[in-house]
Amino acid sequence: EVQLLESGGGLIQPGGSLRLSCTASGFTFNNYAMDWVRQAPGKGLEWVSAISTRGERTFYADSVRGRFTISRDNSRNTLYLQLNNLRPEDTAVYYCARDGLCDGNSCFDYWGQGTLVTVSS
Amino acid sequence: AIQVTQSPSSLSVSVGDRVIITCRASQDIRNDLAWYQQKPGKAPKLLIYAASTLQSGVPSRFSGSGSGTDFTLTITNLQPEDFATYYCLQDYTYPWTFGQGTKVEIK
Repeated sequence: EVQLLESGGGLIQPGGSLRLSCTASGFTFNNYAMDWVRQAPGKGLEWVSAISTRGERTFYADSVRGRFTISRDNSRNTLYLQLNNLRPEDTAVYYCARDGLCDGNSCFDYWGQGTLVTVSS
Repeated sequence: AIQVTQSPSSLSVSVGDRVIITCRASQDIRNDLAWYQQKPGKAPKLLIYAASTLQSGVPSRFSGSGSGTDFTLTITNLQPEDFATYYCLQDYTYPWTFGQGTKVEIK
């Protein structure tokens, strides 16, 4: 059974840093690109970042580029998101998602349960 | 970045109705669009990818169409479990972008 389990969320002051983790199981982690998607309270979904299978290519939303860093450790089946210089508008539930490559097309076929990041003084 | 405009933002419907949700991209994205369903407090669920391909296990009352800039999600014979919020996502080019969401509520 495919499972994605996020951790690392919490309450952090503006300007602070946090590292989120997403531990994968039930599939061959290094065969899949992975992404982070977030959702502010009561708001819609926002794509945040993506990383290729070996980590050589990374992509970011304009709103987080230069502050967030996505990475992965395929030996540990773990995806990371380093959040620096956090702002109140970064408050959200952060989901990790697997890019399942459905028939060669991108698709988020599995999601974690999410971890809440709250940026507030 | 490609903008994706989703409409309507909400609609009130009854069980058995047909629902049509649209997404318009700010430029040609071929068929690189997916649809997701989200229920309160839950992670999104993939419904359709490549604009019109139904994900395995998703009921056939869900269908998607369109290419280029205009896309549609249709739900026929709406069931009680379909009351949720629906999002489109363009995965043609980074940064990927979601539509604003459509909340389908019970009339």
